[in-house]
Amino acid sequence: GDSVTQMEGPVTLSEEACLTINCTYTATGYPSLFWYVQYPGEGLQLLLKATKADDKGSNKGFEATYRKETTSFHLEKGSVQVSDSAVYFCALKAAGNKLTFGGGTRVLVKP
Amino acid sequence: DGGITQSPKYLFRKEGQNVTLSCEQNLNHDAMYWYRQDPGQGLRLIYYSQIVNDFQKGDIAEGYSVSREKKESFPLTVTSAQKNPTAFYLCASSFLAGDMSSEQFFGPGTRLTVL
Repeated sequence: GDSVTQMEGPVTLSEEACLTINCTYTATGYPSLFWYVQYPGEGLQLLLKATKADDKGSNKGFEATYRKETTSFHLEKGSVQVSDSAVYFCALKAAGNKLTFGGGTRVLVKP
Repeated sequence: DGGITQSPKYLFRKEGQNVTLSCEQNLNHDAMYWYRQDPGQGLRLIYYSQIVNDFQKGDIAEGYSVSREKKESFPLTVTSAQKNPTAFYLCASSFLAGDMSSEQFFGPGTRLTVL
């Protein structure tokens, strides 16, 4: 079946450091890929998405590129802020319209 | 403002009681979903509905029930048969159930604690 694997956290960074969260997937066909962010005590918000190979999704300084050859969708940000502290979820949608989530990566940015 | 509302934000119940969590959306979305989130874990799909009066079991449907009598509403009942109901419950909705690129929009969640 479909699955998403992302690096376990927590990831602790200093402000202005670079962030990379690895995400790899297994799916039949050509899934769409998503990154969601969850701030403490809240629901999930879509951060970015990509729907086909080599697409790059970007939002709020975050980027991720759909790499079909490595089945990956790593999330990157060049300079993080304290406000980026949250849990980040990688997800895919293949046939059947259901989202399959990774386990989430908690990121803590210290001033 | 368009969005998804879930109520209540916090819910406490005694063991053995059924409890219903509310989810309403005014986004005119066709599909709605219920997820369960446990501490430090990802989201697991409980039930989903692509059209009024129809719904399907997700990965962990045992001990839960749903209804979809209106497009805007998708309440979830946690029954006494659910062995470990304490969790954070998230409702979501999306357009075009068959469109793989359509994103799901999430509500703020309900934290259920069974005492």
